[in-house]
Amino acid sequence: DTGVSQNPRHKITKRGQNVTFRCDPISEHNRLYWYRQTLGQGPEFLTYFQNEAQLEKSRLLSDRFSAERPKGSFSTLEIQRTEQGDSAMYLCASSLSFSEGEPQHFGDGTRLSIL
Amino acid sequence: GEDVEQSLFLSVREGDSSVINCTYTDSSSTYLYWYKQEPGAGLQLLTYIFSNMDMKQDQRLTVLLNKKDKHLSLRIADTQTGDSAIYFCAESMTGYALNFGKGTSLLVTP
Repeated sequence: DTGVSQNPRHKITKRGQNVTFRCDPISEHNRLYWYRQTLGQGPEFLTYFQNEAQLEKSRLLSDRFSAERPKGSFSTLEIQRTEQGDSAMYLCASSLSFSEGEPQHFGDGTRLSIL
Repeated sequence: GEDVEQSLFLSVREGDSSVINCTYTDSSSTYLYWYKQEPGAGLQLLTYIFSNMDMKQDQRLTVLLNKKDKHLSLRIADTQTGDSAIYFCAESMTGYALNFGKGTSLLVTP
């Protein structure tokens, strides 16, 4: 059983640059979620998709952030004009949607460092 | 998350039981989860419980839910050094947005 896959594992970039991360969910999972985790904190919800539809966005997701899931399979998270405060681990998770509360399975994350 | 509280550290001896506690503030929390995170890795789902249950057991793991006190606990029996990690409690009203605590760092000593 292949788990949630995230690429790249690490990204180092200069402030002001754009970055894009990719998430491949577990194949039969139609829900996909993005979270952000900073040092010493638990993950914070950013957004989620059911198939290709983005159904919820947190207020943490500023207009510099955009997420897509064009064909209902993999998803991308783009951050434009990166800032120091964007340095964090970005985690992707996926789940089934047979019923509410289906447990979410996480990938290993992409660690973003802004210089 | 400010709505989910966990103690930050717990140290136990190998072979003993560990009990990690979590309190949450929202009485509408319907779905509750425990995750484990090892250094540099993502979160591994350990177990979960819904608000219509009081207890769930899965091999070495026992989850207890006290809805009146809004208290959730995770007991790990026969704790091993490989159990050393950060354990996160998470709750959700919606079933999609998880609200996490800051995590409890468990250290298992030989």
